[in-house]
Amino acid sequence: DAGVIQSPRHEVTEMGQEVTLRCKPISGHDYLFWYRQTMMRGLELLIYFNNNVPIDDSGMPEDRFSAKMPNASFSTLKIQPSEPRDSAVYFCASTPWGGLDGELFFGEGSRLTVL
Amino acid sequence: DAKTTQPTSMDCAEGRAANLPCNHSTISGNEYVYWYRQIHSQGPQYIIHGLKNNETNEMASLIITEDRKSSTLILPHATLRDTAVYYCIVRVSLGGNTPLVFGKGTRLSVIA
Repeated sequence: DAGVIQSPRHEVTEMGQEVTLRCKPISGHDYLFWYRQTMMRGLELLIYFNNNVPIDDSGMPEDRFSAKMPNASFSTLKIQPSEPRDSAVYFCASTPWGGLDGELFFGEGSRLTVL
Repeated sequence: DAKTTQPTSMDCAEGRAANLPCNHSTISGNEYVYWYRQIHSQGPQYIIHGLKNNETNEMASLIITEDRKSSTLILPHATLRDTAVYYCIVRVSLGGNTPLVFGKGTRLSVIA
């Protein structure tokens, strides 16, 4: 299995620029999650999808953040405009429906630096 | 979901058992205890979960007290590669999926 694939692995951009992070979940997984990790706040859930539909986006910090899942094999997290405080590692994770064991499969993360 | 309390950090000698405690005194009857770990610069990795019985798999053992207010994750023979942050999470699992909420975890350092 290829696992959850995220791109880019590293992104350095300047304040005000648009950033798009991408995620390909494991095939057959119905749930997709976006997390953000910083030293100060730890791992935070931003948003999650079920069958491509956003279920809970209460963790999205502000309107500058948006996430989409146009099909079962692709999701994007967009930040526009980016700010230095958005610097973090962004993780995508997926899990199948009926996952009573609760195992989330995480990608390697996208490390974002906003200058 | 109930909250958990874990020590900030722990050390363990290589080859010895690592026992990582977790308090979850407000756990409800339908909440499971999950353990994940995060090795530096990687995404979190599932280790084990349980409801009220002790559980064992190829990675670790999970001991849950009879009153379910605390649990211990045991790595029987810690290696340097077990150095990581270990997260204890309680979560309702209804056959669907409620998101995992991560706390600060315990930073385990395995020392040669």
